[in-house]
Amino acid sequence: GAGVSQTPSNKVTEKGKYVELRCDPISGHTALYWYRQSLGQGPEFLIYFQGTGAADDSGLPNDRFFAVRPEGSVSTLKIQRTERGDSAVYLCASSFSGVTGELFFGEGSRLTVL
Amino acid sequence: QQQVKQSPQSLIVQKGGISIINCAYENTAFDYFPWYQQFPGKGPALLIAIRPDVSEKKEGRFTISFNKSAKQFSLHIMDSQPGDSATYFCAASGTSGTYKYIFGTGTRLKVLA
Repeated sequence: GAGVSQTPSNKVTEKGKYVELRCDPISGHTALYWYRQSLGQGPEFLIYFQGTGAADDSGLPNDRFFAVRPEGSVSTLKIQRTERGDSAVYLCASSFSGVTGELFFGEGSRLTVL
Repeated sequence: QQQVKQSPQSLIVQKGGISIINCAYENTAFDYFPWYQQFPGKGPALLIAIRPDVSEKKEGRFTISFNKSAKQFSLHIMDSQPGDSATYFCAASGTSGTYKYIFGTGTRLKVLA
């Protein structure tokens, strides 16, 4: 597609449930990022992939969060045992390379944990 | 040291006026300073960016002013238009992890018609 695609756009779940959020980056972009944006805040870095490997996962808040990118394109952010504090918009971005340049963001997946 | 402080939190400007948003950082390793524009329900989109080897960069109605010694940079929107009403985020990143943008908390701009 022309831009970064994220699904679902909205996800409502109950506390304790498992959630998967999907990101389809711009074709040809080798670098992929996940950010989390809480209400009224700027995006916070979660994890960065260069190709298939997670080059930096230092932003993941705890071990309930995990992300994969098995074929170097689509990525899935996985959240186990969701908590109300996980409610936020999860943004995916991609760039041509991970060294420099513009990040292209998707529209995000809004997660609400009841 | 990793924070980027942004002000004001919100801003109301008359059509045709100048909108000014300020950011300050602490980490001298930062060397790339983008501004992102975000409309409701959309992801942030790059507006303009600067590196510290220049003090100013202009693209159309948008200008970044950069003060390396003060560790501050600002966005100026000239001839502000109602279509500019959005949330603006400054950000910073460094060569050791250019991908890891540190974002400010955002400025909600409203331009009155």
